[in-house]
Amino acid sequence: AQSVTQLGSHVSVSEGALVLLRCNYSSSVPPYLFWYVQYPNQGLQLLLKYTTGATLVKGINGFEAEFKKSETSFHLTKPSAHMSDAAEYFCAVSDRAGKLIFGQGTELSVKP
Amino acid sequence: EAGVTQFPSHSVIEKGQTVTLRCDPISGHDNLYWYRRVMGKEIKFLLHFVKESKQDESGMPNNRFLAERTGGTYSTLKVQPAELEDSGVYFCASSQDWDRGNSPLHFGNGTRLTVT
Repeated sequence: AQSVTQLGSHVSVSEGALVLLRCNYSSSVPPYLFWYVQYPNQGLQLLLKYTTGATLVKGINGFEAEFKKSETSFHLTKPSAHMSDAAEYFCAVSDRAGKLIFGQGTELSVKP
Repeated sequence: EAGVTQFPSHSVIEKGQTVTLRCDPISGHDNLYWYRRVMGKEIKFLLHFVKESKQDESGMPNNRFLAERTGGTYSTLKVQPAELEDSGVYFCASSQDWDRGNSPLHFGNGTRLTVT
């Protein structure tokens, strides 16, 4: 069975600082991994995804994530946080049948 | 292109009442999904339609929940009778194809359901 664990329900960074949101997964098949973002009063928006190929994946708004099979991790990073990055971030894995299994979410706060 | 539309955006009902949530997927998207997030918990899968057929309804909590997608266009999710634990945000998503993720899911803004 697949599962996702996001470490830290709340992360706070200063504007301009590195953003690191942690995600570990468990999957019995080669995983397809995703990061979604939810801004206040909006739906979930796809940030980036890993399916096959290059393990470093670049997404929108300057975010990227690296798939590390040996560590079963898919951490999300951004070199320099912006105030507009404040949102809730969700890591997800798709199972054999194709449905998404989400982590519990990490709320990112950005301090001026 | 118009995105996935859900309504109502908010619904407050009393325990025992009935509520119907509606989702309009992106035009041409055969795949439609319902997910739910109960407060403080992760977003959980409820069910998946391919056109008008239920492909997977393994996440439906119990028989108080009924989902339909007549004609393969919009979908409704009815909760009857509603219980307190049904409170949460219900998300709908659609995609054009499904191959484990190459065709991304587009999510609606969700319906926040509060059962009092």
